[in-house]
Amino acid sequence: GENVEQHPSTLSVQEGDSAVIKCTYSDSASNYFPWYKQELGKRPQLIIDIRSNVGEKKDQRIAVTLNKTAKHFSLHITETQPEDSAVYFCAARNTDKLIFGTGTRLQVFP
Amino acid sequence: GAVVSQHPSWVICKSGTSVKIECRSLDFQATTMFWYRQFPKQSLMLMATSNEGSKATYEQGVEKDKFLINHASLTLSTLTVTSAHPEDSSFYICSARGDSGWSQPQHFGDGTRLSIL
Repeated sequence: GENVEQHPSTLSVQEGDSAVIKCTYSDSASNYFPWYKQELGKRPQLIIDIRSNVGEKKDQRIAVTLNKTAKHFSLHITETQPEDSAVYFCAARNTDKLIFGTGTRLQVFP
Repeated sequence: GAVVSQHPSWVICKSGTSVKIECRSLDFQATTMFWYRQFPKQSLMLMATSNEGSKATYEQGVEKDKFLINHASLTLSTLTVTSAHPEDSSFYICSARGDSGWSQPQHFGDGTRLSIL
């Protein structure tokens, strides 16, 4: 089955700096890669996603890149703000299942 | 749009009690719903996939007699934790996918924090 690895597990940045989170997946048949932001005790919220026929997607300060050959995808957050602090999960979908990475706790210091 | 409602949000009960958690899609029909469990500071682990009108598909290691899933309509799936014990304490989250097939995004409920004493 699909296996998704995510790193780093924790990431601390100064406000205004960029943050990058990386994930790798194992099953080349996976074709959809969402990123979720989860605040403590709350639901995961979809922040951006990318499909396998696209290499890059951007939405304001957030961008995602996908390298199908290497089977890895990354989340880029620019001009980070304290409210970006949360746990971020990548995921890969293969047919019906969404398999999550282990999460990255991002802390943005003012 | 695409709102998923999950109830209750928090349950505290004695060991041996059975607990039912409801997951509803409020403004769309969900042929498929998913149940996840999340332990503190860990990732979301898929427990089972629930399809309307048929038996749920459980992930390896998840006891189907322990975690009963019913998906009786296109807007409601329930998870019943039978004879719950302290080790079942966790954050349970459902998600629902729209009717247009597996290419649609999953929308998550707010989760249920289950504490077994």
